[in-house]
Amino acid sequence: RKEVEQDPGPFNVPEGATVAFNCTYSNSASQSFFWYRQDCRKEPKLLMSVYSSGNEDGRFTAQLNRASQYISLLIRDSKLSDSATYLCAVILSGGSYIPTFGRGTSLIVHP
Amino acid sequence: NAGVTQTPKFQVLKTGQSMTLQCAQDMNHNSMYWYRQDPGMGLRLIYYSASEGTTDKGEVPNGYNVSRLNKREFSLRLESAAPSQTSVYFCASSDGFNGYTFGSGTRLTVV
Repeated sequence: RKEVEQDPGPFNVPEGATVAFNCTYSNSASQSFFWYRQDCRKEPKLLMSVYSSGNEDGRFTAQLNRASQYISLLIRDSKLSDSATYLCAVILSGGSYIPTFGRGTSLIVHP
Repeated sequence: NAGVTQTPKFQVLKTGQSMTLQCAQDMNHNSMYWYRQDPGMGLRLIYYSASEGTTDKGEVPNGYNVSRLNKREFSLRLESAAPSQTSVYFCASSDGFNGYTFGSGTRLTVV
């Protein structure tokens, strides 16, 4: 089993739709979680950190489920500009702060 | 407000040639990293430097060397390029708490 797994998609959704992605992790000692966005032929950019209590940034909501070992990203009212690949990253406890990245989920928002 | 700067952006090498990829960050981060990204493989860690003066191997270090020149700069060297090293290379830096900042990438083709 891979350490961090994501459904590669693509998820094809119309503008205005709500879409959610999950990212599962295998190591229960994981302590920090992030979502990154990567546009085609560009570098990944930090979208948001994922806190135990969940967090929201505008149309984006991230949640952590430690019991089931997954994080989620919910995008409401999808825009064409949300089309991208979304990578999750998980950091183990222990001090090295090196994240393991998922392979990403592709989102395509169409008119 | 440069963040992480990588050079060059594009490079074509012949098999057996050598080159150095340069990376510099202006965020006073202690940790710096080199990743490669290949289709279907996600981001794979080549080498990292947790602090100035230290370097460690990541998941795929073979064929590469690194130098942490000072706190700002972390270079990646290919001594004898092989076609299997055709990839997109990303440098990143981190303060350990707030995720990574990536450079814009180097697209390397080895023919």
